[in-house]
This record gives sequence, C-alpha cells and structure tokens, in this order.
Amino acid sequence: EAGVAQSPRYKIIEKRQSVAFWCNPISGHATLYWYQQILGQGPKLLIQFQNNGVVDDSQLPKDRFSAERLKGVDSTLKIQPAKLEDSAVYLCASSFGEASEAFFGQGTRLTVV
Amino acid sequence: GQQLNQSPQSMFIQEGEDVSMNCTSSSIFNTWLWYKQDPGEGPVLLIALYKAGELTSNGRLTAQFGITRKDSFLNISASIPSDVGIYFCAGDPGGGADGLTFGKGTHLIIQP
Repeated sequence: EAGVAQSPRYKIIEKRQSVAFWCNPISGHATLYWYQQILGQGPKLLIQFQNNGVVDDSQLPKDRFSAERLKGVDSTLKIQPAKLEDSAVYLCASSFGEASEAFFGQGTRLTVV
Repeated sequence: GQQLNQSPQSMFIQEGEDVSMNCTSSSIFNTWLWYKQDPGEGPVLLIALYKAGELTSNGRLTAQFGITRKDSFLNISASIPSDVGIYFCAGDPGGGADGLTFGKGTHLIIQP
C-alpha cells in the first residue's frame, strides 16, 4: 500500500516570498492533517480536514498560512508571505478517523533565508 | 499550543543497555502513542496505548499508559545501533478532532 506522499522534499526561499506544499494521502483516508515541526521540537498540528471540510484550524496562523483540500483527496498548504520563523519541516498525515491511526509522510523541509 | 513534558531530552548509552523515557501531561488523554523519527523521515508509530494502566510490548519495546491518564513511559531493552533516533510521545484526546499533541522528543545516541 502506498504511503502518504509529499512534495517537494526540500524548499529554500527568501523571506516575504510565497511557497506551497502538496500532500497526497493514503487512498481512502478521510482525515488529513498538516503538522509543523520546528527543529528540536515535536510536530504541532496546524490544520485538520475531514474529507474537504476543516475540522480544526485553531493553530493555523491565518494571516499568512492557508490550506485547502479540494475534492477531499489531495491537499495544499500555502505560506504567503514567508517569515524566517516559518523554517521547519511540514508533515502531512492521514487516517481513516482517529488521529492515533494516522500515517505520516516524509515531510517538506522549508528553509526561509 | 500545549506540548507534553518528555524526558530525558537526550540519552547517550552503550549498545546492549536498557533505555527508559517518559512523558507527562497536565491534561488527560484517551490514547498515548510512542513514535520514532529517523533523519529526513516522518514519525513512525511504535506502540499505541488505549486504556489506563495498559502495558504493551512490541519486541524489545514496552510502554505503559499511566493510571491517571496523564503520563506514559517507554522502555527499550538491549539497545542495538538501529535504535538510534528521536523518540516522541504523543497524546490523542479522542473524539476525532484536535489531532495529536507531541512531546519535544528524546534523542537516543548509542555508542558502540
């Protein structure tokens, strides 16, 4: 069974530029999560989708971050404009339902210079 | 957002030694999870605990769900070189919302 696919693997941008990350969850998984993992810390939930609807985006910095999951499958996470403190690994995960059953992708490592 | 208190932050051990790490929270969780993350990879689930007091093993790994539902520990017996990595605890409040709350990780380094 294919796992959670993310692209790109790495991205380097200058501050104030915009960037987008893409995630393809495991087939059939209704729930999709985006986590931000800053170096030396555990992942922090940014947003959770159930099919194409948002379940929780309370920790998403909405002035610069946005995410969508059109058609309830693939998802994109966008940052515009990026700040230095956005440098992190952005992890996508998916599950049938409970967060405890989620599988993680390899992540996208973002460096903002 | 809330993070779990995970300790120790790092461990330097000899191959063959046993390892113990733990996690505490001010909140109750319905599920406790332990993950391992290798460089350049996403976290991989090692053990899931679903009931207070539950003790679960997976090979050389043993984890327990604290009776108060606010803590958990992970033991690794007879460590081997491939155990090197960062171990994270995570709590799931349940109900299908909120995602997981993670600890800051324990970095395990094994000296041959």
